[in-house]
Amino acid sequence: AQSVTQLGSHVSVSEGALVLLRCNYSSSVPPYLFWYVQYPNQGLQLLLKYTSAATLVKGINGFEAEFKKSETSFHLTKPSAHMSDAAEYFCAVSRMEYGNKLVFGAGTILRVKS
Amino acid sequence: NAGVTQTPKFQVLKTGQSMTLQCAQDMNHNSMYWYRQDPGMGLRLIYYSASEGTTDKGEVPNGYNVSRLNKREFSLRLESAAPSQTSVYFCASSGGQGTGANVLTFGAGSRLTVL
Repeated sequence: AQSVTQLGSHVSVSEGALVLLRCNYSSSVPPYLFWYVQYPNQGLQLLLKYTSAATLVKGINGFEAEFKKSETSFHLTKPSAHMSDAAEYFCAVSRMEYGNKLVFGAGTILRVKS
Repeated sequence: NAGVTQTPKFQVLKTGQSMTLQCAQDMNHNSMYWYRQDPGMGLRLIYYSASEGTTDKGEVPNGYNVSRLNKREFSLRLESAAPSQTSVYFCASSGGQGTGANVLTFGAGSRLTVL
């Protein structure tokens, strides 16, 4: 079975600092990987997705993620945090042999301090 | 541009009561999903429907039933609610082929409390 682990349920950064949210997947075959963001009292929105076309994926709002097969990781970064980035972030994985169903990590709540 | 619409947004039930969460999408998507979100557990798939007329169990189907009424609508029913079903429920849909099929569009969520 495939799964995804997000390290750190809460991350706190200062405004303007680097954001790094960690995600590792368990799969012998590179899967499709996704990052979603959930703002308070809203549904989830897609930030970016990895589909094997390029290992560095750029998403919305200045976020990007790098797929590293050797480390089975897909960490999310942003060079400079904004107050508006405060939200919960979810890493997700899917594979075609599992019907393309998304399996989500437990989520990481990002807090941005002024 | 409504996207995915869920009703109701909030509901309080007593143990043993039944209710149905409604979901409709206007994007002509083939696939629809019901997830539940609990603190520290992320989103867990309850049921999904790959196309009109088909439904399949996800990770946590016990205590739930679903109906794919037509291409637009996918409802989730709790026949006899239990406190363990207190959660936020999200409906989602996706369309397209290959990786496009994985880009889910989510509704705003339905917060259910079972006393």
